[in-house]
Amino acid sequence: DGGITQSPKYLFRKEGQNVTLSCEQNLNHDAMYWYRQDPGQGLRLIYYSQIVNDFQKGDIAEGYSVSREKKESFPLTVTSAQKNPTAFYLCASRYAGGRGNEQFFGPGTRLTVL
Amino acid sequence: DQQVKQNSPSLSVQEGRISILNCDYTNSMFDYFLWYKKYPAEGPTFLISISSIKDKNEDGRFTVFLNKSAKHLSLHIVPSQPGDSAVYFCAANQGQAGTALIFGKGTTLSVSS
Repeated sequence: DGGITQSPKYLFRKEGQNVTLSCEQNLNHDAMYWYRQDPGQGLRLIYYSQIVNDFQKGDIAEGYSVSREKKESFPLTVTSAQKNPTAFYLCASRYAGGRGNEQFFGPGTRLTVL
Repeated sequence: DQQVKQNSPSLSVQEGRISILNCDYTNSMFDYFLWYKKYPAEGPTFLISISSIKDKNEDGRFTVFLNKSAKHLSLHIVPSQPGDSAVYFCAANQGQAGTALIFGKGTTLSVSS
């Protein structure tokens, strides 16, 4: 089945540790995105990538890093510089040639920093 | 400053009645609008969209209306069902492919049977 997978579903880390969240898609989508959701907030954009080996900062990129070495994969690293990393992280992808701008989302990763 | 606003955090409706979720935007350059539905601890799922060249788009029980002069769009769900209970996000996009969506903060819809 085609789709977007994020792993793990739940992740716990100690304060001060870097952690990498996985995002893989087999939809042959060109663009991929990382969002963060906090209670009472909408989805806020962290980073996005329109093609392999290229990515742009979103509204809240500080304390995060990404890579896009393969079309299918867009991992997000939450570094120790991120001041409030506990949140629900969502990865999305989009086919650039599509008729609309629909993004398709993965199931999300709940990160809790202890 | 929020470019996409959903001013009602919550909405309660009885089963079978109409649900109307509202969204306002400030950027007149937005040219595509989308609605997503989200259950707790899951990723959002795409519901329906509308281009700025249209004023209405319908898909089954879901209809989106766009009023460009008022910078306002609404999602109508008729008839509402208990399974529609979720958080609904309005999102907007400007221009070229690959650019990110700008989301509102969401409205929690509760449909009671």
